[in-house]
Amino acid sequence: QTVVTQEPSLTVSPGGTVTLTCASNTGAVTSGNYPNWFQQKPGQTPRALVYSTSNKHSWTPARFSGSLLGGKAALTLSNVQPEDEADYFCLLFYGGAQSHWMFGGGTKVTVL
Amino acid sequence: QLQLQESGPGLVKPSETLSLTCTVSGDSLSNSPYYWGWIRQPPGKGLEWIGNMHYSGRHSHNLSLKSRVTILLDTSNNQFSLRMSSMTATDTAIYYCVGEWDFGNSYTWGQGILVTVSS
Repeated sequence: QTVVTQEPSLTVSPGGTVTLTCASNTGAVTSGNYPNWFQQKPGQTPRALVYSTSNKHSWTPARFSGSLLGGKAALTLSNVQPEDEADYFCLLFYGGAQSHWMFGGGTKVTVL
Repeated sequence: QLQLQESGPGLVKPSETLSLTCTVSGDSLSNSPYYWGWIRQPPGKGLEWIGNMHYSGRHSHNLSLKSRVTILLDTSNNQFSLRMSSMTATDTAIYYCVGEWDFGNSYTWGQGILVTVSS
């Protein structure tokens, strides 16, 4: 059973920097897992932020960046703004005969 | 611009089969590069990827749900569907239909439909 793990919650001050990570129980996360990151605010549909590790969508603020870090996928929020308070979910692809995608449990980012 | 809209029952009885439909506008399911799929979110909880289907027949499913899930494409009506059998209260969730291309290069969500499992 594939399990993807994220920090349940993180707190950051306005203007600060925070890094969210996404780990897989199958081993190191690589570019072949095509990590995606989504942001979800209360009552809203999730919004895609980053795809294929580090590629941003046209609407993704420049202060968001994706990477691989220590065997995990990572999403770094720099110069954090109050509107960045939200839930963040990573999504990993697993190839092979039974290819599938798997979400992490999500990270609640609080800005205060 | 690609748009998706879910439709189906908001209430399902335990042990019954859920049937949801997603109507696609802005693209044709036939010959589309998109994978058409479903994601759900129980109230107050995280996202769960259910599965997807490509017009070529390629498909993938959440391994823990695979035996209960069928995703079909209806190219004549430009719709795709989700059938999930043996529903229980733990399947109560918002169900989103999604269109995904190129490993997330494009990810379009429907607005979601709340499905409650209760007698």
